Amino acid sequence: EAGVAQSPRYKIIEKRQSVAFWCNPISGHATLYWYQQILGQGPKLLIQFQNNGVVDDSQLPKDRFSAERLKGVDSTLKIQPAKLEDSAVYLCASSLLAGEETQYFGPGTRLLVL
Amino acid sequence: AQTVTQSQPEMSVQEAETVTLSCTYDTSESNYYLFWYKQPPSRQMILVIRQEAYKQQNATENRFSVNFQKAAKSFSLKISDSHLGDTEMYFCAFRGSARQLTFGSGTQLTVLP
Repeated sequence: EAGVAQSPRYKIIEKRQSVAFWCNPISGHATLYWYQQILGQGPKLLIQFQNNGVVDDSQLPKDRFSAERLKGVDSTLKIQPAKLEDSAVYLCASSLLAGEETQYFGPGTRLLVL
Repeated sequence: AQTVTQSQPEMSVQEAETVTLSCTYDTSESNYYLFWYKQPPSRQMILVIRQEAYKQQNATENRFSVNFQKAAKSFSLKISDSHLGDTEMYFCAFRGSARQLTFGSGTQLTVLP
């Protein structure tokens, strides 16, 4: 079974530029999560999707961050314009809707904003 | 809101010895799940072990086991017969009714030869 795929793995941009990250969850997983992990901290949830609907985006900085999950499968997370403090690893995870709902994580995208 | 606390930023253990990583959490929910994940330098979170709050029996996965104390809201991870490859960052995480994970700040474990 293929795992959660993310791209790109690394991205370096200058502040005020825009960037987009892509995630492909495990096949059949209805729930998809985007987490932000700043160096030295645990991941923090940005947004949670169930199929193609948003369940929780209360911690998403909506003035600069946006995310979508068209057709309930792949998802993109966009930052526009980026700030220095957005430098972090962006982790995507997915889980089944039922059962213990263990979240399986992708390899992450490491973003550096200069 | 739930909180997860890992009070040990760093720990070390001699190879083949046993080490325990501590985790406490705060919640008003009665049904929830607790997890330990490890994170290598590649940054991918890998599940180590999972505990359902309604189960009194502590979860075990080979050399990894937990000590789950629901009343004390404590969830420690014990690693027996430590291997050099166990040198990783370990995160404790809570999942309640909202399904999202709340993570602690992590413990960097170093296994010494």
